Amino acid sequence: QVQLQESGPGLVKPSGTLSLTCAVSGDSISSITWWSWVRQPPEKGLEWIGQIDDSGSTSYNSSLQSRVTISIDKSKKQLSLKLASVTAADTAVYYCTRHSGFSFPTWGPGTLVTVSS
Amino acid sequence: EIVLTQSPGTLSLSPGERATLSCRASQSVRSDYLTWYQQKPGQAPRLLIYAASIRATGVPDRFSGSVSGTDFTLTISGLEPEDFAVYYCQQFAASPSRYTFGQGTKLEIK
Repeated sequence: QVQLQESGPGLVKPSGTLSLTCAVSGDSISSITWWSWVRQPPEKGLEWIGQIDDSGSTSYNSSLQSRVTISIDKSKKQLSLKLASVTAADTAVYYCTRHSGFSFPTWGPGTLVTVSS
Repeated sequence: EIVLTQSPGTLSLSPGERATLSCRASQSVRSDYLTWYQQKPGQAPRLLIYAASIRATGVPDRFSGSVSGTDFTLTISGLEPEDFAVYYCQQFAASPSRYTFGQGTKLEIK
């Protein structure tokens, strides 16, 4: 059974770049699937950030598209997220997810990223 | 862009009662593109229902989903103490791929 684990700095300065990784275990990252990042600001709802498929093709939330890059490293079994020019509004718990359809059955536990000086 | 509006914002019920949660789409959504999640404090969301009415593996049969036009409903028959949580609906749209969530319904113990 696939397991996901997010990691990265818990504190990022305003105007900096948020960088997170998601380690994948228990499954091949090359199987036919998609991998998405979803975030949740404190006490708020869920927001899809973007996805990447096993071929490296990406789709991003239009509201974040200019700042987001999602990549995949099959050899390391790792998913990455970069979000540039962050502000306090980007403070959130960031989740990586694995899916093969139109919903998200598998989630990592999430990691809190705070944007503050 | 399709907007999902969930109601009520908060639902206060007692164990054993029936909960009815609504998710209304601003335009037509294919039933197989609509999903429900449960989220408890400090945890990642858990997939409950996909394709509007299909329970995910391991989800008790007191959870059911239905659709009428652009109105999607999650029903929990006979609330158990562990059911009190926040519930989100989510839809998928193609070309380009995008996923949007409703704002959530908090189900709390009365």
